[in-house]
Amino acid sequence: DAGVTQSPTHLIKTRGQQVTLRCSPKSGHDTVSWYQQALGQGPQFIFQYYEEEERQRGNFPDRFSGHQFPNYSSELNVNALLLGDSALYLCASSFGRTGYTFGSGTRLTVV
Amino acid sequence: AQTVTQSQPEMSVQEAETVTLSCTYDTSESNYYLFWYKQPPSRQMILVIRQEAYKQQNATENRFSVNFQKAAKSFSLKISDSQLGDTAMYFCASTIPNDYKLSFGAGTTVTVRA
Repeated sequence: DAGVTQSPTHLIKTRGQQVTLRCSPKSGHDTVSWYQQALGQGPQFIFQYYEEEERQRGNFPDRFSGHQFPNYSSELNVNALLLGDSALYLCASSFGRTGYTFGSGTRLTVV
Repeated sequence: AQTVTQSQPEMSVQEAETVTLSCTYDTSESNYYLFWYKQPPSRQMILVIRQEAYKQQNATENRFSVNFQKAAKSFSLKISDSQLGDTAMYFCASTIPNDYKLSFGAGTTVTVRA
């Protein structure tokens, strides 16, 4: 089953650095959403990509940016990392509004 | 804006028994969707059950069922015949037709004891 694949699974970065996280959506899905989940909390919506454009954005600073490729895969970029950016980053894919399939996330630690 | 509140940070239940998780939500929309997601230690968020607001009948998926009280804006999840594999964090979430995001509660950690 080609579910949602995220890479890497874990990474450690230093404050001020930049990071890129990757997501391959489930087969047949054309929409990708990104969420940030701090430890012990619920996921918070970062943004959603559809047809290679950012369709909706949550309350996150411009340091968070993304991209969607023609094959529907997506990247999340975070610049000028802060300690508070340490979290689990979840990718969810969907086709229209038929329901979201989540990946297992990327655990980012900023030191 | 949609807000989702889960007031129980942790719940513990004996194997084979029943546990109920609470969730309240707030929305000004008349049509919306409610979800329960399970997040085991593997971290993947798994859809447990989904309820559409305009459907009066409570959704059921095997051992999982909901009690949807629209007037009270309450959406509780009942896990019957609890199994060790049910141990996970459970999130209540909502979305509306013209919004593309899911709004999640803070989660409830469920531990099933052998």
